[in-house]
Amino acid sequence: QQPVQSPQAVILREGEDAVINCSSSKALYSVHWYRQKHGEAPVFLMILLKGGEQKGHEKISASFNEKKQQSSLYLTASQLSYSGTYFCGTDLLGGNKLVFGAGTILRVKS
Amino acid sequence: GAGVSQSPSNKVTEKGKDVELRCDPISGHTALYWYRQSLGQGLEFLIYFQGNSAPDKSGLPSDRFSAERTGGSVSTLTIQRTQQEDSAVYLCASSLRGGRQGTNEQFFGPGTRLTVL
Repeated sequence: QQPVQSPQAVILREGEDAVINCSSSKALYSVHWYRQKHGEAPVFLMILLKGGEQKGHEKISASFNEKKQQSSLYLTASQLSYSGTYFCGTDLLGGNKLVFGAGTILRVKS
Repeated sequence: GAGVSQSPSNKVTEKGKDVELRCDPISGHTALYWYRQSLGQGLEFLIYFQGNSAPDKSGLPSDRFSAERTGGSVSTLTIQRTQQEDSAVYLCASSLRGGRQGTNEQFFGPGTRLTVL
């Protein structure tokens, strides 16, 4: 039931854009996105719920395709501070058990 | 305000010993979660508390693992007869509330790095 994230890793230069995808084999109630920097705790980025509601940081953009059971995180005009591992967590029932993907490592170079 | 705190930050133990990991959630957060993160891996759900009760223990890997929460606040994760495969970072998170339609972000603590020799 673990969602599949792609790509596994991506390297960008500052200012470039990236898309991180999260796919589930089951219908989703919501998708949660977190970023974790090396040696630090994961930090909340965004929640996307079925029906279109979103909650998160203004500078983060993401989409949730309920039919395809997929979510994508859009990182535009990347900055060095965007580097880290991005995790999506999927919630099937509107409860509180998040199943996290294996993560996407993002490295932004100057 | 203070964030989620965990103690100890690092724990080295010998195989077969018991360990206790502590989590102090953000004040007022009724939902509390434990996750395990092995080196280079994602976050593995262990258990979720709503108040003092644990409606979902499905992620506990074996009966050597147990957790409790008292007073709707501090939680303790206990691992008995530790094995080398228990080595990982144990993360605790809390959120404002749980229940259906949970749309609340989880705030993570810094984790406890457990090493079983």
